[in-house]
Amino acid sequence: DGGITQSPKYLFRKEGQNVTLSCEQNLNHDAMYWYRQDPGQGLRLIYYSQIVNDFQKGDIAEGYSVSREKKESFPLTVTSAQKNPTAFYLCASSMWGRYNYGYTFGSGTRLTVV
Amino acid sequence: AQTVTQSQPEMSVQEAETVTLSCTYDTSENNYYLFWYKQPPSRQMILVIRQEAYKQQNATENRFSVNFQKAAKSFSLKISDSQLGDTAMYFCAFMKLPGGSNYKLTFGKGTLLTVNP
Repeated sequence: DGGITQSPKYLFRKEGQNVTLSCEQNLNHDAMYWYRQDPGQGLRLIYYSQIVNDFQKGDIAEGYSVSREKKESFPLTVTSAQKNPTAFYLCASSMWGRYNYGYTFGSGTRLTVV
Repeated sequence: AQTVTQSQPEMSVQEAETVTLSCTYDTSENNYYLFWYKQPPSRQMILVIRQEAYKQQNATENRFSVNFQKAAKSFSLKISDSQLGDTAMYFCAFMKLPGGSNYKLTFGKGTLLTVNP
């Protein structure tokens, strides 16, 4: 079955560490996105990518980095520069020309700073 | 920039009754898409219903329907015959008609709906 796989489901980070969240899709979607979800804040866009080797900053990109070396993969690195990384992170994808269908989402990664 | 406002942080409804969730948005665009997503306790985001702004007819998906008022920039979700499985956070979302980089979804802050037995 096609879908988006996010791993790990839970991730713990020590202060000052970088961590990478994985997002893989087998839907042959062109565009991929990373959102951060905090209680009472809805979903806020971190980064997005329309094609391989190209990505743009979203509304809250500071302290995060991404890469898009393959169409199927869009990993997110939470760097030590992100001062408040504890949150729920959602990856999503969409198909070129089918944006009216909305996004398909992964099941999320819960990141906690310890 | 577009903004999406959901004015009801929490709502509750009795099983089998009808409930309406509110959403307003701010845009200068004429063509766009609107969506309602559901996030149950599992936290998986599920598309409930979508509306294309250039279509006059309100979208309907089984027990879910919308009241789209373009002039008022309002996009409410009506859930009929509420079921316990409808308990979830509901997000309203807006997307400008894609062009260039204009295919981003902007979300409201959500409404937590609880269906009581």
